[in-house]
Amino acid sequence: GESVGLHLPTLSVQEGDNSIINCAYSNSASDYFIWYKQESGKGPQFIIDIRSNMDKRQGQRVTVLLNKTVKHLSLQIAATQPGDSAVYFCAEFSSGNTPLVFGKGTRLSVIA
Amino acid sequence: DGGITQSPKYLFRKEGQNVTLSCEQNLNHDAMYWYRQDPGQGLRLIYYSQIVNDFQKGDIAEGYSVSREKKESFPLTVTSAQKNPTAFYLCASSTGGGRGSPLHFGNGTRLTVT
Repeated sequence: GESVGLHLPTLSVQEGDNSIINCAYSNSASDYFIWYKQESGKGPQFIIDIRSNMDKRQGQRVTVLLNKTVKHLSLQIAATQPGDSAVYFCAEFSSGNTPLVFGKGTRLSVIA
Repeated sequence: DGGITQSPKYLFRKEGQNVTLSCEQNLNHDAMYWYRQDPGQGLRLIYYSQIVNDFQKGDIAEGYSVSREKKESFPLTVTSAQKNPTAFYLCASSTGGGRGSPLHFGNGTRLTVT
């Protein structure tokens, strides 16, 4: 989800449930996408990436889905844990030497 | 133990003073970046450097300056011309190149200007 102003979209989930965080990207020429997790007071950490020749990629407890037709990216977290509480950012890259472009982020809150 | 080191973690300055934020990496990455993050917001690109002795302005470069004299180091100076300098500053590096690669971030410097 994209945010407006100072308010990040927030997703609240029960511990043990699955989480789905969505991101709409802007550039149809983007061919590489990354999800980052940022905990309070820290720098973003790499979670998982995907290139445009794939539509799904799985990691440990995480899956990224890419729908190029509607320019949509999602991050699925299985069996969400309290340690998953953080802000999640998607980032997109288009060919060339331009830097990654970051989305505004979604705050995930896990309810114990 | 490779990574990116930003120092200091917290920095306080009086309005009108220039201040330099340090960023060092030992990942042997070619590209380095500076981002600014305001409360509840995403990351905005200030400057980036793809190679030593070369750098480009990002989306919000006004009031900032950088240098890239060494591969390992990319210091950011917040000048008195920056109208609203209080923010969380993040440095990152990547292998660079045209196919896209993940950015590795430091843990940031929180700058407060009063």
